[in-house]
Amino acid sequence: DVKVTQSSRYLVKRTGEKVFLECVQDMDHENMFWYRQDPGLGLRLIYFSYDVKMKEKGDIPEGYSVSREKKERFSLILESASTNQTSMYLCASSSQGAGGYTFGSGTRLTVV
Amino acid sequence: AQSVSQHNHHVILSEAASLELGCNYSYGGTVNLFWYVQYPGQHLQLLLKYFSGDPLVKGIKGFEAEFIKSKFSFNLRKPSVQWSDTAEYFCAVNAGSGGGADGLTFGKGTHLIIQP
Repeated sequence: DVKVTQSSRYLVKRTGEKVFLECVQDMDHENMFWYRQDPGLGLRLIYFSYDVKMKEKGDIPEGYSVSREKKERFSLILESASTNQTSMYLCASSSQGAGGYTFGSGTRLTVV
Repeated sequence: AQSVSQHNHHVILSEAASLELGCNYSYGGTVNLFWYVQYPGQHLQLLLKYFSGDPLVKGIKGFEAEFIKSKFSFNLRKPSVQWSDTAEYFCAVNAGSGGGADGLTFGKGTHLIIQP
């Protein structure tokens, strides 16, 4: 069964901390994505990557950065966490050409 | 850029009722269309998708959706809902030319509650 695995299900961090959210996929997908999900706002794209070391800004990149050093791993970085970054973060991957997107189970981040 | 509008944020139905959730998108080019479901406490699951061909698409769990290009719509339907269909439903779109490299643009979701 194909999988996208997010390393943490729940995280609590303090304001100003540097936060790393990790995502690993085992499907050899070229494309990986980070979304945040907020009630009443749906899912919004933060960053995506279509190849190793490549990254593209999504709709709401401010306050975030990403790293993709290996094909299977895509990390989301909050340089200095703020309370408005409290949210559910979802990682996804897709293969080039067609097909659907596979989502991870999500990381619920609380910034206090 | 694409945008997606889901007509209803909350829908409450009784078991065995018929369901139709509205979804409209705005984008000038070819699109791929998706419906995802998120059951309480679970991750997003793909219900169905449309890339090309027959505009009536059948998905899992008895769901179907119809792509009407002239109306920029991709409404989700189910003839008879069950209590287990209680979930959040998301319509999503991406550019058809993107080859899957572009992210999905999601609607804000519809929270469906089925009463026994």
